[in-house]
Amino acid sequence: DIQMTQSPSSLSASVGDRVTITCRASQGISNYLAWYQQKPGKVPKLLIYAASTLQSGVPSRFSGSGSGTDFTLTISSLQPEDVATYYCQNYNSAPWTFGQGTKVEIK
Amino acid sequence: EVQLVESGGGLVKPGGSLRLSCAASGFTFSDAWMSWVRQAPGKGLEWVGRIKSKTEDETTDYAAPVRGRFTISRDGSKKTLYLQMNSLKTEDTGVYYCTKVGYHYETSGFFGGYFDYWGQGAVVTVSS
Repeated sequence: DIQMTQSPSSLSASVGDRVTITCRASQGISNYLAWYQQKPGKVPKLLIYAASTLQSGVPSRFSGSGSGTDFTLTISSLQPEDVATYYCQNYNSAPWTFGQGTKVEIK
Repeated sequence: EVQLVESGGGLVKPGGSLRLSCAASGFTFSDAWMSWVRQAPGKGLEWVGRIKSKTEDETTDYAAPVRGRFTISRDGSKKTLYLQMNSLKTEDTGVYYCTKVGYHYETSGFFGGYFDYWGQGAVVTVSS
């Protein structure tokens, strides 16, 4: 199975800061990677698929990049409503696997 | 508007069984791959399994922790997805989300596997 490792596990940043979350796959997954946002007590929401394609309706301050084994999710200017846990997910082949999550808080 | 509505959650004893249902609307259910994702209390997301469309023989795949105990099926006439859970363990406790599997175009054709729509979740508690 492909293991997905996110870093950091948590971070605290100020409003307006640029935030970067990293996701590493244990083997190459091409660009078959998605990112999700889960706000406290809420259902997860798809942000990005195919490593860099923004899902419809997602603010443009979110962006994704990477291919192969190393991927990043960037929030260009952190907003209070971005407080959430973010997960990456591999869908290169079953079993599809998630990273352990990165909790983002406001400093 | 895509809607996924789960039902059937509840409290069950270890070793028991439970069946979750997910009523789908707002998209062509018969053409869609569907999946279940779960989340234990205070923990991260875990993929449970997936079922392909009828034209792809409704092929299923499961995560190792549930393989042989859980079965995913679908009824196109009712636009409903099911998760039959047998031999339940305490570690199966959590929220179970019904999801629609999204796909994107590539030069080689369609490729899917991410979750573009989620239900509200069904709570399953396995405890004696």
